Amino acid sequence: DVKVTQSSRYLVKRTGEKVFLECVQDMDHENMFWYRQDPGLGLRLIYFSYDVKMKEKGDIPEGYSVSREKKERFSLILESASTNQTSMYLCASSLQLTDTQYFGPGTRLTVL
Amino acid sequence: QKEVEQDPGPLSVPEGAIVSLNCTYSNSAFQYFMWYRQYSRKGPELLMYTYSSGNKEDGRFTAQVDKSSKYISLFIRDSQPSDSATYLCASFRIQGAQKLVFGQGTRLTINP
Repeated sequence: DVKVTQSSRYLVKRTGEKVFLECVQDMDHENMFWYRQDPGLGLRLIYFSYDVKMKEKGDIPEGYSVSREKKERFSLILESASTNQTSMYLCASSLQLTDTQYFGPGTRLTVL
Repeated sequence: QKEVEQDPGPLSVPEGAIVSLNCTYSNSAFQYFMWYRQYSRKGPELLMYTYSSGNKEDGRFTAQVDKSSKYISLFIRDSQPSDSATYLCASFRIQGAQKLVFGQGTRLTINP
């Protein structure tokens, strides 16, 4: 069974703080993704990575950066958190781009 | 206009009813079609995956794709309270920026 884990289920940060969200998958998947999920907007892709050290912008990359130093780990970084980044953040992985994406449980981030 | 449109509901039906969930997508660049189910406070998980037009059945669930009208449907027969969840349609865009595009999600409640 594929397992995708995220470092925190709930996180509260202050405006201007640097925030790190970590994601780890255990199935040797090539592709990893970061989404945010907001009511009425569904899942929106922030960034994805198709290989170690490779990344591609998604639909809403502004205010975020990512890091993939190891195949199993994909980090999302909020350089200077703002209140409009309060959201549910979901990480996913897949073997091929068109394959099933396996999601982690999500991190609910609140920025005060 | 969103590339994949889904009525966010909420939808509430009695136990045992047939549920119909629907999405539309914008153009022929979308070629793979999926339904994900997301329980409260969990990440989405794949429910159905279809590659082409027609029906695909799995137990009480049937996914239907009509490429001529760009319409995606999920039918749930003999609905159960355990089917209460948010259902997300998704389609993979194979032209341009290749990525999975999600609908907004429909929140479904099955009442005992």
